[in-house]
Amino acid sequence: GDSVTQMQGQVTLSEDDFLFINCTYSTTWYPTLFWYVQYPGEGPQLLLKVTTANNKGISRGFEATYDKGTTSFHLQKASVQESDSAVYYCVLGDSGSWQLIFGSGTQLTVMP
Amino acid sequence: DPKIIQKPKYLVAVTGSEKILICEQYLGHNAMYWYRQSAKKPLEFMFSYSYQKLMDNQTASSRFQPQSSKKNHLDLQITALKPDDSATYFCASSQAPSYNQDTQYFGPGTRLLVL
Repeated sequence: GDSVTQMQGQVTLSEDDFLFINCTYSTTWYPTLFWYVQYPGEGPQLLLKVTTANNKGISRGFEATYDKGTTSFHLQKASVQESDSAVYYCVLGDSGSWQLIFGSGTQLTVMP
Repeated sequence: DPKIIQKPKYLVAVTGSEKILICEQYLGHNAMYWYRQSAKKPLEFMFSYSYQKLMDNQTASSRFQPQSSKKNHLDLQITALKPDDSATYFCASSQAPSYNQDTQYFGPGTRLLVL
């Protein structure tokens, strides 16, 4: 079945460090891919979205590129801030179903 | 103003009881969803509704029943509650039921604890 893999459960950085979170996906369709961010006590909120029509998404300094060859959708940011501390989910929107398929999430902690 | 309202925010129930989780969205969306987030697990899709009709059900148990009284409401009734049902339940909505090309917007969640 369709799946999303995030291997990094936790990432701890200092302010102004470079962020890179791995994500790979598996599906037989051509998915829309999302990164959602979840802050404590809140629901997930969209960070960025990439479809098959455009290979890259950029939002709030975060960037993700859709690589169909390696089936990867890594998230990166050049310089993180303490306010970026949250859980980041790589999410697969399969065009063949109604559901979003969430990865296991990466807890990002940015130290001041 | 919050665009997706979930009530209550916290809920404690005893095993075997029944509870209803409320969800209302004021985004003008036509599709609504329920997801569950158990401890140490990723969010799991439960149901999707489009124009008040059930489109997809990935919940194995019939103890979970969505109820849509209005286009912008999708409540979740849970009967015969079990401790394993303890989780945070998120409601979401999207503009159109377009097989996941649409962004889904999530509510703040209802945290359910079953004792």
